[in-house]
Amino acid sequence: DSGVTQTPKHLITATGQRVTLRCSPRSGDLSVYWYQQSLDQGLQFLIQYYNGEERAKGNILERFSAQQFPDLHSELNLSSLELGDSALYFCASSAGDSNQPQHFGDGTRLSIL
Amino acid sequence: QQQVKQSPQSLIVQKGGIPIINCAYENTAFDYFPWYQQFPGKGPALLIAIRPDVSEKKEGRFTISFNKSAKQFSLHIMDSQPGDSATYFCAATGDRDDKIIFGKGTRLHILP
Repeated sequence: DSGVTQTPKHLITATGQRVTLRCSPRSGDLSVYWYQQSLDQGLQFLIQYYNGEERAKGNILERFSAQQFPDLHSELNLSSLELGDSALYFCASSAGDSNQPQHFGDGTRLSIL
Repeated sequence: QQQVKQSPQSLIVQKGGIPIINCAYENTAFDYFPWYQQFPGKGPALLIAIRPDVSEKKEGRFTISFNKSAKQFSLHIMDSQPGDSATYFCAATGDRDDKIIFGKGTRLHILP
């Protein structure tokens, strides 16, 4: 058990909709990272937050946004969803502010119909 | 220059054999090279990592070999077991980078 909790495990929605993915980091970890995993692109870094502040940005679309709250949990918001957004979305956490994720959650599988 | 190329895509090995997964990179500024193990339905788990100041690192049955001049590194699994069947990802990053780059993954199957 990594200690990172992601909800929901599965999400099915339609094109054009908006969804929110939630992540609770491992206890004591201040950094939260979001990744997208698809068959063709592999694991792609989206964004990192450290202690409530945006730390680094990767290949995150403008339709996507994230935030980290004072209790350190994080949410990834995906809007105007397209078929190509279907993927596994992973959250990871680590204690420091480096770009190296230590603990991954089990992901949210997003299916766009 | 930001790519990490991983091979093979899939690998089948008999129990007790030594599967070897290879990765190559271009960016000479990379100085942290981790490997992750992912089981179906689970997130990746950090397995072992190496920095370029050493050529080899062992943790249990897992060994990373690192060749700085060739810009290549590989994962060896000694005495492989069916429970090692998983997808393995190599990755690379540098202290000045803001993100870690992953290889495309190798699906490993260990035959009983």
